[in-house]
Amino acid sequence: NAGVMQNPRHLVRRRGQEARLRCSPMKGHSHVYWYRQLPEEGLKFMVYLQKENIIDESGMPKERFSAEFPKEGPSILRIQQVVRGDSAAYFCASSPTNRGSVGYTFGSGTRLTVV
Amino acid sequence: KNEVEQSPQNLTAQEGEFITINCSYSVGISALHWLQQHPGGGIVSLFMLSSGKKKHGRLIATINIQEKHSSLHITASHPRDSAVYICAVGGGTASKLTFGTGTRLQVTL
Repeated sequence: NAGVMQNPRHLVRRRGQEARLRCSPMKGHSHVYWYRQLPEEGLKFMVYLQKENIIDESGMPKERFSAEFPKEGPSILRIQQVVRGDSAAYFCASSPTNRGSVGYTFGSGTRLTVV
Repeated sequence: KNEVEQSPQNLTAQEGEFITINCSYSVGISALHWLQQHPGGGIVSLFMLSSGKKKHGRLIATINIQEKHSSLHITASHPRDSAVYICAVGGGTASKLTFGTGTRLQVTL
């Protein structure tokens, strides 16, 4: 049981490039959540997905950000045309159900630096 | 006002001291999480609780649903306990979490 796997651990992108962050949930978990932690700030919810569906994207910026969780493969958080303000740690979490946060597990995060 | 408030924001203790970190929330929840984050590190889930009290080693977490308050206690603190401790609440069927701003704990020798 490898836990929630995020890659890459560190990602450096130049302004204007695209960033792709991957999250493989724990085995048996079909619910995935993405959170962002800006420097010196707390964690903020971005998006909640189940397989092939976006359930809640109320925390996603309206432009340049998108997320998917395909039937096969990891969940992907995609940031187009990155800007310096996108530099942050992005954490993924997964759970087996949507009730009571049972079995909620976090990944180690991807630290994005935009230069 | 934030939905999840933690206190204190910063805490320095000497090795061996008993530590308490508090969390108050203003929304209905189905579960409350205590998380630990070391500098530059990932997030480790310490506890998830919806009522009563849980204990794991030197860590104890309690929750009072009526008062919408939870505490995390560390007994016999050690320098390796130095980290940021984060309270997070989840509610309803969405299970997305709302986080406090964290308590930065430093335990010195």
